[in-house]
Amino acid sequence: EVQLVESGGGLVQPGGSLRLSCAVSGFTFSNYWMTWVRQAPGKGLEWVANIKPDETEKYYVDSVRGRFTISRNNAKNSLYLQMSSLRAGDTAVYYCVRVEYCLSTSCYGINYFDYWGQGTLVTVSS
Amino acid sequence: DIQMTQSPSSLSASVGDRVTITCRASQTVSSYLNWYQQKPGKAPKLLIFAAFRLQSGVPSRFSGSGSGTDFTLTISSLQPEDFATYYCQQSYSSFLTFGGGTKVEI
Repeated sequence: EVQLVESGGGLVQPGGSLRLSCAVSGFTFSNYWMTWVRQAPGKGLEWVANIKPDETEKYYVDSVRGRFTISRNNAKNSLYLQMSSLRAGDTAVYYCVRVEYCLSTSCYGINYFDYWGQGTLVTVSS
Repeated sequence: DIQMTQSPSSLSASVGDRVTITCRASQTVSSYLNWYQQKPGKAPKLLIFAAFRLQSGVPSRFSGSGSGTDFTLTISSLQPEDFATYYCQQSYSSFLTFGGGTKVEI
């Protein structure tokens, strides 16, 4: 059974830092791109960052680039999000998500989010 | 970045109704379009990937169509468990984006 379990959320002051972790099981972690998606209270979904299996490619939404760093440890089956210079606008539930790629010839290369963690709440407030 | 616009932002429907939600991209995303369902307090769930392909385990009353910039999610006969918020998402660009969501209410 595929499982993704986030941890590390909590209350942090503006300008502070926090590190989120995601422990995965039930699949070969080192074969998959992974993603962080967040959702502010009462708002929609926002993609935050994603990372290639070998960490050679990383992408970030403009609003977090330079402040957040996505990383992974394939030996520990873990995904991370280091967040710094936190702002009130970063308050959200943060989801760890697996990225799957279509292998059928008719949709080869199209990717989608097939497994999600339960989320961890980050609150930035003084 | 590619902007995704969903309409309507909310709708009211009854059990048994046919419901259609649209998603428009600011530029072509080919068939790189996915749909998710989210219930309150829960993580989103994948319904449709690559525009019209049904994720395993998802009921056949859900269907997707479209390509390029215009896409549709259809629920053929709304069931009580379908009352939720639905999001489209493009994966054409390395910078992924979601639509604003459509809340389906009773």
